[in-house]
Amino acid sequence: SAVISQKPSRDICQRGTSLTIQCQVDSQVTMMFWYRQQPGQSLTLIATANQGSEATYESGFVIDKFPISRPNLTFSTLTVSNLSPEDSSIYLCSVWDRTSYGYTFGSGTRLTVV
Amino acid sequence: AQRVTQPEKLLSVFKGAPVELKCNYSYSGSPELFWYVQYSRQRLQLLLRHISRESIKGFTADLNKGETSFHLKKPFAQEEDSAMYYCALSEGYGQNFVFGPGTRLSVLP
Repeated sequence: SAVISQKPSRDICQRGTSLTIQCQVDSQVTMMFWYRQQPGQSLTLIATANQGSEATYESGFVIDKFPISRPNLTFSTLTVSNLSPEDSSIYLCSVWDRTSYGYTFGSGTRLTVV
Repeated sequence: AQRVTQPEKLLSVFKGAPVELKCNYSYSGSPELFWYVQYSRQRLQLLLRHISRESIKGFTADLNKGETSFHLKKPFAQEEDSAMYYCALSEGYGQNFVFGPGTRLSVLP
């Protein structure tokens, strides 16, 4: 199955700053997904990133706050901008894995905003 | 809109006892259903998918379209089964996932 490297694994950031999270896949994938997992909550889809086109955002998430890049078929970044304590969460990237016929997840980035 | 519910936030059983983690869904089409597991300090990983009708680590799950359920079962729980379990629904191949709220399974010695 696909292997995803996600970094950083954790970070502590000041209010008003931004954090960029990177996700590298060991195979080419059409779609990459970014999720947020708030403390004690389930996973919520932020956006779907397709190579060569604008990301598609879910209701409640906007590009200005969560800009996404997808420069090629193996890499994507998610930036969480203008950070506030409410952004403290785990952020995960995911890809659809044809070999396992399921979604494979990165190890997650634990963000704490102080 | 599709929705996944897992009524139990926490389920505690003794080692060797049967365990059933409940999952119900609402979706008008033909969903694809999955169970994901997250062990302590590990990444979220696929446990089961309904189309495979497989048994992984002794767990099975049957899709019941009449009851719109996809409960996860294991006849004899082991301590290493303690983890967070998420039921998830997809509209189809590679389509968006909707996750349930999760159930934390604690298997007591």
